[in-house]
Amino acid sequence: GQQLNQSPQSMFIQEGEDVSMNCTSSSIFNTWLWYKQDPGEGPVLLIALYKAGELTSNGRLTAQFGITRKDSFLNISASIPSDVGIYFCAGPTGTASKLTFGTGTRLQVTL
Amino acid sequence: DGGITQSPKYLFRKEGQNVTLSCEQNLNHDAMYWYRQDPGQGLRLIYYSQIVNDFQKGDIAEGYSVSREKKESFPLTVTSAQKNPTAFYLCASSRGLQHQPQHFGDGTRLSIL
Repeated sequence: GQQLNQSPQSMFIQEGEDVSMNCTSSSIFNTWLWYKQDPGEGPVLLIALYKAGELTSNGRLTAQFGITRKDSFLNISASIPSDVGIYFCAGPTGTASKLTFGTGTRLQVTL
Repeated sequence: DGGITQSPKYLFRKEGQNVTLSCEQNLNHDAMYWYRQDPGQGLRLIYYSQIVNDFQKGDIAEGYSVSREKKESFPLTVTSAQKNPTAFYLCASSRGLQHQPQHFGDGTRLSIL
C-alpha cells in the first residue's frame, strides 16, 4: 500500500527559529493535507493542497505541493512555544475517502 | 458550535470486558472514521463508514466492531478479542469525497485495569 515517510522524525529548536519538514510518498498523490496534534488532543487541519506546485500559507505556516506530486513540504517561520506538537502529512488512499497518514514529525521548542 | 464529540475522554477496561466509545458529529458529514494511535506512532485506520448503514474494515479491524445507524453517530466497540486495547482512539468525519479533509474529535484514551 501507499506509505508516507516524514522527516525529520523529531526536532528540537529554539524559539524564533524557522522550521522545515517534509513528507515523501512512493506513489503520486492528488491532495496533500497537513495536520498538527497537540498532546492528548485530536489532529487539527493546518493546510490543504490540491495542485502540483501549489504554495499555500496560513499565518506563519507555509506548505508546498511538490511538482513531482510525490512530496510536500511544511515550513514554520519564527517558531513559538505553542508550535510544540506532532505534525502529520496525509493524502487520499484509493477511491474511497480514506486517508494515509505519515509517521509524524515531533517538534519541541526551547525558550 | 459544529464539531465532533468523543466520549468519554478516559476509559478503563477490565480483562474480558467489551467497551463502547462514542463519537457524535453535527457537521452533517456523510463519512466517519475510527483510528487507533499508539505512543509515538501515527494513525492506523480501524473502520470507516461512507454512508449510513454501511461500513468497511480498515487496516486493523480485528477485535473491534462498529455500527452506523444514524448519520451523526459512529460508535466503536472494543471487544474482549482485542488483546492489546490500550491506546488513544480518534474519531473523524468528512464530506465523504476523495479529496476532502477529515476533521477529528479530541480522542478517548483507553487503558486496561
